[in-house]
Amino acid sequence: DGGITQSPKYLFRKEGQNVTLSCEQNLNHDAMYWYRQDPGQGLRLIYYSQIVNDFQKGDIAEGYSVSREKKESFPLTVTSAQKNPTAFYLCASSISSFFDISNQPQHFGDGTRLSIL
Amino acid sequence: DQQVKQNSPSLSVQEGRISILNCDYTNSMFDYFLWYKKYPAEGPTFLISISSIKDKNEDGRFTVFLNKSAKHLSLHIVPSQPGDSAVYFCAATFYTGNQFYFGTGTSLTVIP
Repeated sequence: DGGITQSPKYLFRKEGQNVTLSCEQNLNHDAMYWYRQDPGQGLRLIYYSQIVNDFQKGDIAEGYSVSREKKESFPLTVTSAQKNPTAFYLCASSISSFFDISNQPQHFGDGTRLSIL
Repeated sequence: DQQVKQNSPSLSVQEGRISILNCDYTNSMFDYFLWYKKYPAEGPTFLISISSIKDKNEDGRFTVFLNKSAKHLSLHIVPSQPGDSAVYFCAATFYTGNQFYFGTGTSLTVIP
């Protein structure tokens, strides 16, 4: 049963600590994305990756870091530099972002809700 | 700057009636538009899409209309069912698909 798995579902951390959110997909998708959702706002792109060992900043990359060492995995680290990290984080993947996007919608995980104590 | 906007945060419709969800965008270069549906505590799931070269796409009870001159798209659900109650996001992108731009969502409630 293919899909995207985000873990954990809920995460609590103290201020000043880095925290890493996991995202794994077994859809054999090339492209992966991280979004942040805040109340009353749409999904905002943090980082995306089109292929292994390559990633690009999105609109709100400051205070975040990612890696793409494997096709299946795209972990997101929320660093202490992120001023307002409390949010709902969504990971997504799609077949490829190099080619025509028609009929290649993104598939989303169920999200991780991060709260800073 | 929000390039995709959904100005109605919520909508209530009686079961069996039509639900119309609206979305406006500012960038006329967008090539492709999508609608996603999201239940609480779950990620969004793809619902229907439309290319900028078309003005209508239909899939069962769901139809998306695109008015490029007005930079406006809408999602029609007919007939509406209680299971359609969810938050609906519209999104826009370019053919390379590097970035998807999402609206703020409209919460639809279908009343039995």
